Amino acid sequence: DIVLTQSPGTLSLSPGERATLSCRASQSVSNTYLAWYRQNPGQAPRLLIYGAASRATGVPDRFSGSGSGTDFTLTISRLEPEDFAVYYCQQYYSSPPTFGGGTKVEIK
Amino acid sequence: EVHLLESGGGLVQPGGSLRLSCAASGFTFSSYVMSWVRQAPGKGLEWVSAISGSGGGPYHADSVKGRFTISRDNSKNTVYLQMNSLGPEDTAVYYCAKGSTPIRYYFMDVWGRGTTVTVSS
Repeated sequence: DIVLTQSPGTLSLSPGERATLSCRASQSVSNTYLAWYRQNPGQAPRLLIYGAASRATGVPDRFSGSGSGTDFTLTISRLEPEDFAVYYCQQYYSSPPTFGGGTKVEIK
Repeated sequence: EVHLLESGGGLVQPGGSLRLSCAASGFTFSSYVMSWVRQAPGKGLEWVSAISGSGGGPYHADSVKGRFTISRDNSKNTVYLQMNSLGPEDTAVYYCAKGSTPIRYYFMDVWGRGTTVTVSS
């Protein structure tokens, strides 16, 4: 199975600041089959990014994804109140699909 | 609007069984993979099972293989998860999720609100 390691575990930032989240895979994720999700407390995950860099429908342009191979990044250009949440990366190239352990973005 | 509604969760004793259901609406159900993903209390997301749009597969995580069975009824736009031999490690919120493709290389583009399963005596 492909293991995804997310860092940092927790990111403490203020509203309006820039957030950079990392996701590293134990082996190459071919075709950039990597997605990012945001989960607010008590809610279901929401798809943000697929194909490493494509924004899902309705996702604001402050969210951007990049990377290939084994190293991927989610960037939030200016944090809004609803962005303080937990973020998960997921690879969907290799079976079984696997998730990273998550990065919590908290208010500083 | 695409919508997924899970049901069937609850409290069950160790060794017991439960059947989860997920009713879908707003899209051509038979054209997409459907998955179950769970989240133990305070933990991250774990993919559990998936079934292709036509009912092929199905696919299960090693942690549930032989105990859980995913199935779907395309005439009812519903996917099921039969869970047997439940243990405390199966306690979690179970999410139903729509895949982005009919069979492979799918991400989950729509999620239900989840149903809670608690395994305890």
